[in-house]
Amino acid sequence: DAKTTQPTSMDCAEGRAANLPCNHSTISGNEYVYWYRQIHSQGPQYIIHGLKNNETNEMASLIITEDRKSSTLILPHATLRDTAVYYCIVRVPRFPSTNAGKSTFGDGTTLTVKP
Amino acid sequence: DTEVTQTPKHLVMGMTNKKSLKCEQHMGHRAMYWYKQKAKKPPELMFVYSYEKLSINESVPSRFSPECPNSSLLNLHLHALQPEDSALYLCASSHDPRDRDTEAFFGQGTRLTVV
Repeated sequence: DAKTTQPTSMDCAEGRAANLPCNHSTISGNEYVYWYRQIHSQGPQYIIHGLKNNETNEMASLIITEDRKSSTLILPHATLRDTAVYYCIVRVPRFPSTNAGKSTFGDGTTLTVKP
Repeated sequence: DTEVTQTPKHLVMGMTNKKSLKCEQHMGHRAMYWYKQKAKKPPELMFVYSYEKLSINESVPSRFSPECPNSSLLNLHLHALQPEDSALYLCASSHDPRDRDTEAFFGQGTRLTVV
């Protein structure tokens, strides 16, 4: 599985954009990048995923570099409720791998949004 | 309904006990997962079921026995656990990754304490 590297922790001021980087230099051409977050003692929550194009949804934007070796999750207007551990995951593609769907969580980034 | 429901929320068991963790989803997902998460660590994949068949076992000790009785239910049977098995056990479900690449939905977890 491709490994991911994220900073251990980051701070962000409330109302500002939070930019969370992830390095996945060994990613294969057909592996997706997924982002989840986990608020203390809850189950992880899906945020967004992408393959090679930039993606946006109601929660966040995902910017993937052209060589796909890194990506950035952007929370455009961080709130106190966005304080969580953010995980960047590379997901084994559905085909042809026998390990399809296997997702290995890295250590994640603890994002603290401050008033 | 986009919920994955896990019961019980908390469980305390002795090392000679037999207990079971339960997980249920009604999203029509055909892949279900068990993860183990120790404090301040990322979730670690234990088992993956695909179309009710065990597809991935991450070399989990036999004192953990998964079961998928139907497409909506996933159990984890516990027997002769050790104190170091105390952790948050997370269940997740998704469309089968061999069919399409989609996100996983996680339950809130069962907090297990082995005494």
